[in-house]
Amino acid sequence: QLQLQESGPGLVKPSETLSLSCTVSGGSISSSSHYWGWIRQPPGKGLEWIGSIYNSETTYYNPSLKSRVTISVDTSANQFSLKLNSVTAADTAVYYCAKPRPDSSGYYGGMDVWGQGTTVTVSS
Amino acid sequence: EIVMMQSPATLSVSPGERATLSCRASQSVSSHLAWYQQKPGQGPRLLIYGASTRATGIPARFSGSGSGTELTLTISSLQSEDFAVYYCQQYNSWPWTFGQGTKVEI
Repeated sequence: QLQLQESGPGLVKPSETLSLSCTVSGGSISSSSHYWGWIRQPPGKGLEWIGSIYNSETTYYNPSLKSRVTISVDTSANQFSLKLNSVTAADTAVYYCAKPRPDSSGYYGGMDVWGQGTTVTVSS
Repeated sequence: EIVMMQSPATLSVSPGERATLSCRASQSVSSHLAWYQQKPGQGPRLLIYGASTRATGIPARFSGSGSGTELTLTISSLQSEDFAVYYCQQYNSWPWTFGQGTKVEI
């Protein structure tokens, strides 16, 4: 059974880079036709899609974050990662990694495997 | 970007009653829509994908319907464990977007 686990610093200073990893267990990150993604949730607010990576190389990002975000895959570690630079207090959130599944038409998007989430606070 | 609008923001219902949650898209998402349930302190749980397909282990009282710009999640008979926040999410086009959520309360 596929499981995801986020890891990384819980506190990041303003203007610095937030770096998180998501370790995949119970399966290979480099299996064919796989999307992996990141979603965040600020305190008391809704869910925001950050971005996704397909087949370890094609990336899609939220336009509101695109200039600051990078998602990549480390196949040797069976992990994928999120880097968000120039953070501010507005980036304080619970960050989730997730894996979407395909629907009957082959579109990937409903995320059926989630990490437990990691809280990142941006503060000096 | 497709904007997803959920209504109502809060739905007050009694156990055993039917709940109908609406998700409206600013442009067609076809049937590429998912519904999630989130309880306090927990991560989201996939309920429905493809607008109407229940995810693994989801009880039959949860059903999704609609396509295009008007989609609905129905909980046929609310159980105590169903009181939570529900989100819709479109994946018809990038960027994927979520609705703001509907809180189902007693």
